This record gives sequence, structure tokens and C-alpha cells, in this order.
Amino acid sequence: ELKVEQNPLFLSMQEGKNYTIYCNYSTTSDRLYWYRQDPGKSLESLFVLLSNGAVKQEGRLMASLDTKARLSTLHITAAVHDLSATYFCAVDSMYSGGGADGLTFGKGTHLIIQP
Amino acid sequence: DSGVTQTPKHLITATGQRVTLRCSPRSGDLSVYWYQQSLDQGLQFLIQYYNGEERAKGNILERFSAQQFPDLHSELNLSSLELGDSALYFCASSVAGAGLDEQFFGPGTRLTVL
Repeated sequence: ELKVEQNPLFLSMQEGKNYTIYCNYSTTSDRLYWYRQDPGKSLESLFVLLSNGAVKQEGRLMASLDTKARLSTLHITAAVHDLSATYFCAVDSMYSGGGADGLTFGKGTHLIIQP
Repeated sequence: DSGVTQTPKHLITATGQRVTLRCSPRSGDLSVYWYQQSLDQGLQFLIQYYNGEERAKGNILERFSAQQFPDLHSELNLSSLELGDSALYFCASSVAGAGLDEQFFGPGTRLTVL
């Protein structure tokens, strides 16, 4: 069974600081997604990481994927209040060879950025 | 706006009742996925349909069923509702649904079972 673990689950940080969210998964996969969710809202796609060593950046967020370590990171640079949200990583089970399946999500990292 | 629509936005019902949630995928997408988000279980994949046929099942209860119609919209039917079924239900769609493309999520239906 595919397991996806995120840490930390809760993070309170100050504006201007840097921090990293980690996502570990238990089976081979070359496809990992990061989503953002605001309270009571839907999931907004941030990054799709397709191969080992993939790195993508959008504004103050940068995501990377190490398939050998089964690890993805979401790095926040010089955080601003607007980045406060819950961030989820998800792995596509089907692409890991398990057959057609939906996404398996981590529990999410609840990020609060304080002025 | 992802282009995926879901109705209704909110639903309040009583235990033992049956409800139907509806989803229209993005134009051109053939695959529809249903997910449940609750405080204790997190985000869980329920079921996937591709071009009208069931493709994959996740943690879907026997009391729940789904279908995808010829116009590609999908419905999730929840019956004999229990308090624990209260959750946010998301629909997502993708072009092919074979693990080769990105899933886009709808706004969700918040179900409250009293």
C-alpha cells in the first residue's frame, strides 16, 4: 500500500523567513504533485514533478523531486502572509506500477505565516 | 477556476437518507475522479471513471456508488448516510486518466449529515 508522509504537519513562521516542507512516499513513483488549499476551498495545483531531479519554481515556492530517496521538498523563500494555506503532496499510484488508481495524498502541512 | 463544476455546493441531510452529488469535468477531459476530505481521514480517493467505465476503486464504501454518463458528467450517490459521512467531496478530471496527466479539482460539495 502506498503511503505518503508529510512533515511538518503544522508550521508557523514569520514573514521573510525560509522553510522547507518534506514529502516522503513508500513506493517507486516518478510523478509527484503539490497542491495548495485555502480554508474551505478546493485544491489548486502548484507543481507537477515528472522525473528524478526535477525542480520547478513559481514565485517564492520551489519544489524538487528525488525519486531514489522517494522524497520531494517544497521550499518557501522569504515567506509572505499570502502563502498561508495548507499544502499537500500527492503521488500517482498508477504511475508507480500499481495499476489505474487515484492520487494518494499526504496529510497536508498547515502553514501560518505571521507578520 | 479549474473548469470542473460541482453541484450542489452545500448539502444538509439526515442520517439514513440518500443524496446525489454531481460533477461536470473540464471540456475535453474523459476521466473523472471522486475524493472525500474529512478531518479524521484526510483526502481519500474514492473512485475513478474513464469515458463512462469504472477504472479504479479506492476507499469507497459499499453504500456509495458512482457513474459517468455519455456526456461525461458524473454522479456520486451516497446512501444510508451516517454522521461520519459528513465531509467535503471533490471531483477531479483529467484528459486521459491513465496516470499520465494532471488532475484538476472542482470546488467541492460540503455534505453535512445531522
